[in-house]
Amino acid sequence: EAQVTQNPRYLITVTGKKLTVTCSQNMNHEYMSWYRQDPGLGLRQIYYSMNVEVTDKGDVPEGYKVSRKEKRNFPLILESPSPNQTSLYFCASRYDNEQFFGPGTRLTVL
Amino acid sequence: KNQVEQSPQSLIILEGKNCTLQCNYTVSPFSNLRWYKQDTGRGPVSLTIMTFSENTKSNGRYTATLDADTKQSSLHITASQLSDSASYICVVSAKGGSYIPTFGRGTSLIVHP
Repeated sequence: EAQVTQNPRYLITVTGKKLTVTCSQNMNHEYMSWYRQDPGLGLRQIYYSMNVEVTDKGDVPEGYKVSRKEKRNFPLILESPSPNQTSLYFCASRYDNEQFFGPGTRLTVL
Repeated sequence: KNQVEQSPQSLIILEGKNCTLQCNYTVSPFSNLRWYKQDTGRGPVSLTIMTFSENTKSNGRYTATLDADTKQSSLHITASQLSDSASYICVVSAKGGSYIPTFGRGTSLIVHP
């Protein structure tokens, strides 16, 4: 089944404790991206990647890092999480102008 | 600055009734407009895509329209069902090398029995 997977689905952590949210797609898509979704603000793009080893900032990249060492994986790294990064995160891959979203990761930073 | 505005912010209707959601955009140069449906706790799923030359496109009970001159789109839902309860997001993409879509904040639709 063609899909985008994310792990973990839920995470509660404390300020400053580094964490990684994994994202994987099995559709061989070149383009992948990360979004955060907050009440009243909608989806905002954090980072995107047009291919392996090619990444770029989206609208809200501060406090996040990404890497794209292989086509299928696009992890999101929070080196020192802060409470304002509490949010619902979505990974997506894109083909022909359609984005395929993962199930989401709900992150709480205390 | 590219922007996408959706209205209403929320909507409550009775099962079986029709409704129309609106999307106004200022994205330029325009490439395409997509409507996504997002069920609570899930990722958005594409309903339909509109390009510059298309005025109307249907997907079952969902019909999207596009007026590229006024930069407006609508999503019409016919004979609503309880499963239509969700957030509907309008996403507009500009032409160019980098793909950074502009998202609307969504319309939250609740269908009551």
